[in-house]
Amino acid sequence: AQKVTQAQTEISVVEKEDVTLDCVYETRDTTYYLFWYKQPPSGELVFLIRRNSFDEQNEISGRYSWNFQKSTSSFNFTITASQVVDSAVYFCALSEVMIMVVRPTNKLIFGTGTLLAVQP
Amino acid sequence: EPEVTQTPSHQVTQMGQEVILRCVPISNHLYFYWYRQILGQKVEFLVSFYNNEISEKSEIFDDQFSVERPDGSNFTLKIRSTKLEDSAMYFCASSDRGETYEQYFGPGTRLTVT
Repeated sequence: AQKVTQAQTEISVVEKEDVTLDCVYETRDTTYYLFWYKQPPSGELVFLIRRNSFDEQNEISGRYSWNFQKSTSSFNFTITASQVVDSAVYFCALSEVMIMVVRPTNKLIFGTGTLLAVQP
Repeated sequence: EPEVTQTPSHQVTQMGQEVILRCVPISNHLYFYWYRQILGQKVEFLVSFYNNEISEKSEIFDDQFSVERPDGSNFTLKIRSTKLEDSAMYFCASSDRGETYEQYFGPGTRLTVT
């Protein structure tokens, strides 16, 4: 069965600190996608990144970086020099890749989220 | 940039009433989804829809729920007889047929059952 675990329920940092959000996943599939979404106080889900299981290269986008380690089934997210606007709930999600099926689904399995509070 | 839209943004209904939540997916997308998020909890998959059929549904998606794509642009979620525990944010999402498997989410409809 697929499962995503975000052990950190809440994290509070002071502006300009670096912060890492942990994500550990379980799947029996060899091909899958991992995602991070941001949910600000306004409630919408904002896509941040997608990574497929064959691409273990770390990625950096501005102040955001992601560390994918297949050996430990982890896909951690680091915000460098955090800002107040980064305050949100961050969700990690997993999707299996359905190949050769009549009705593919590609549903997302979400973790429980990490509430990040960045204090000024 | 194309986006998924949902109406209404907030719906208040009485227990036992029927509600229909509406979504307009991105126009060239072929896969459609409904997810639910009870306040303060994680986002949960409800149902996926492809080629005018349900492709997968979760245990939450029981007989009181149904989905429809009535006119080629809208994608609706109907809850036939609402319960208090149906109060949640309902998100619609869509994705294209490519390799990206990225799901674009709508802004959500907050359903309050009283």
